[in-house]
Amino acid sequence: DTGVSQDPRHKITKRGQNVTFRCDPISEHNRLYWYRQTLGQGPEFLTYFQNEAQLEKSRLLSDRFSAERPKGSFSTLEIQRTEQGDSAMYLCASSLGTGGERGYGYTFGSGTRLTVV
Amino acid sequence: GQNIDQPTEMTATEGAIVQINCTYQTSGFNGLFWYQQHAGEAPTFLSYNVLDGLEEKGRFSSFLSRSKGYSYLLLKELQMKDSASYLCAHEEGNNRLAFGKGNQVVVIP
Repeated sequence: DTGVSQDPRHKITKRGQNVTFRCDPISEHNRLYWYRQTLGQGPEFLTYFQNEAQLEKSRLLSDRFSAERPKGSFSTLEIQRTEQGDSAMYLCASSLGTGGERGYGYTFGSGTRLTVV
Repeated sequence: GQNIDQPTEMTATEGAIVQINCTYQTSGFNGLFWYQQHAGEAPTFLSYNVLDGLEEKGRFSSFLSRSKGYSYLLLKELQMKDSASYLCAHEEGNNRLAFGKGNQVVVIP
């Protein structure tokens, strides 16, 4: 168990470009979550998958954002036509069942820091 | 929604005790989590409370009062490595966490 891995760690892109981030959850975790965190704020929920099914999307997830988890393992988050307001840390987390069921919470990756210039 | 409130920053001396408070409002409560986050790193799980009372884990303890919508995290015998942001979050709908802004603790010698 190597934890939740995210790639890349940092991404600088020009406004209007598309970017894609990858998340590899803990292998036996069936749930995968994407959050966004800006400076001085707590993480905000974007979307979550149970296995390969995307079961909930926040209204923060505009049409320019799309997430997939095609085989129920790794996930990708794509942002099209990036805007400066998209600059943030994008965090992935995974869990086996709900975070509280086993009392150990959700395991977060180190995130991808996106800077849109 | 994300109706969760935390104070923003505090400074404390090595070896001291600090208490970080968190108040929340939610229509469906499924548990209260505390996470530690060092700058530029992943939030790491500290504790989980679903019933009223105090949960102790080494130097860290967490308390919950569901009727008051209130929790606190107690950090004892502060160490320099405890300098971090402490996030409280409640679980909504069994499928996501709603976080507060976090409380930055700065430990000084």
